[in-house]
Amino acid sequence: AQSVTQLGSHVSVSEGALVLLRCNYSSSVPPYLFWYVQYPNQGLQLLLKYTSAATLVKGINGFEAEFKKSETSFHLTKPSAHMSDAAEYFCAVSLGTASKLTFGTGTRLQVTL
Amino acid sequence: AAGVIQSPRHLIKEKRETATLKCYPIPRHDTVYWYQQGPGQDPQFLISFYEKMQSDKGSIPDRFSAQQFSDYHSELNMSSLELGDSALYFCASSLERSGYNYGYTFGSGTRLTVV
Repeated sequence: AQSVTQLGSHVSVSEGALVLLRCNYSSSVPPYLFWYVQYPNQGLQLLLKYTSAATLVKGINGFEAEFKKSETSFHLTKPSAHMSDAAEYFCAVSLGTASKLTFGTGTRLQVTL
Repeated sequence: AAGVIQSPRHLIKEKRETATLKCYPIPRHDTVYWYQQGPGQDPQFLISFYEKMQSDKGSIPDRFSAQQFSDYHSELNMSSLELGDSALYFCASSLERSGYNYGYTFGSGTRLTVV
């Protein structure tokens, strides 16, 4: 079985500030981990994924995440927030081969001037 | 590059009616997943198919059924619709080779409104 917990349903940052969205996972086997972004009334866009290669994963739009097995975490960061980053962010986990994705409850990122 | 195609984009049905949602995965992807996302909620897994066989089942109501056809497209059939079925329904496809998951690609979703 697998699950993810996203800490903080709402995060607000100023434009230009560091973005940190937290995700902790639980998995019975080495997991595959993903971050997706969803803009209002739109689909899910993949930001980045961890699939047991490098622990620091770089994604699109300047986002990156670090897989820390000892902390069972996969937090998403971006050095400098932009207004266009305002969206809902979902962390997700799967067990790999032909396995479903299980999503966290999401974190709504607000970016203020 | 080809993406996951879902149709229709929007659908309005009355209570107790039937709806059919279609999903066309990325060519050569061997697994299709269906998700339901209610307003303000995270996507919930419904059902998946691997090589045209049901591979996993989540919180899918008995009123719903799905299948994957020989051309790999999938359909989600929903009967006796209820107001609570109003949601965004996503389809995703993935490719698995030699035990490696190449990732999931989501379609834009079908927004179902039951009135």
